[in-house]
Amino acid sequence: GAVVSQHPSWVICKSGTSVKIECRSLDFQATTMFWYRQFPKQSLMLMATSNEGSKATYEQGVEKDKFLINHASLTLSTLTVTSAHPEDSSFYICSAELGGGGTQYFGPGTRLTVL
Amino acid sequence: QQQVKQSPQSLIVQKGGISIINCAYENTAFDYFPWYQQFPGKGPALLIAIRPDVSEKKEGRFTISFNKSAKQFSLHIMDSQPGDSATYFCAASGFNKFYFGSGTKLNVKP
Repeated sequence: GAVVSQHPSWVICKSGTSVKIECRSLDFQATTMFWYRQFPKQSLMLMATSNEGSKATYEQGVEKDKFLINHASLTLSTLTVTSAHPEDSSFYICSAELGGGGTQYFGPGTRLTVL
Repeated sequence: QQQVKQSPQSLIVQKGGISIINCAYENTAFDYFPWYQQFPGKGPALLIAIRPDVSEKKEGRFTISFNKSAKQFSLHIMDSQPGDSATYFCAASGFNKFYFGSGTKLNVKP
């Protein structure tokens, strides 16, 4: 139980294009999902908290117009990287909170490479 | 201010040995302390977690020791195996967020 999927697992795009990453909780409903970014050999950096049916809460320093988050249902949140640039290349990981107890289950991650 | 401090940064243990990773947290309002295991190119996987009302939790070869007064908790991996080689992250949860440690890269030598 508590499986979270992400799609795609990797993507390569040209500079200036937009990329959408999907995060799905497969066997549970998640009111809250989180989006993280991870640089090589570093810890996870929280980008935003996504709540179903409401606007996402972005961490300080994260551009909300560049990283668009939509949490349209209790099992799906999407992250769209708009006008991607090479510096946006990174490993993006989502997580979904099971129940209200704080347990987060992570997706397998999406490797984004912007050329 | 870093909310969760993790050490060591890297650890080498012989097969069959005990791996110990330590974390310290700042905020006494944190109420959930999970450990995650991450393999290269994969997302973190929940390993074991503890709440502050208990001092120890054991699941198989993995044990969390929790010291509320010292605001510290640690992960012990007994009988470490080469398959345990991964990066381990501690976290503390509060205010609807996770605060992650910086990670420990564990290498278990055959």
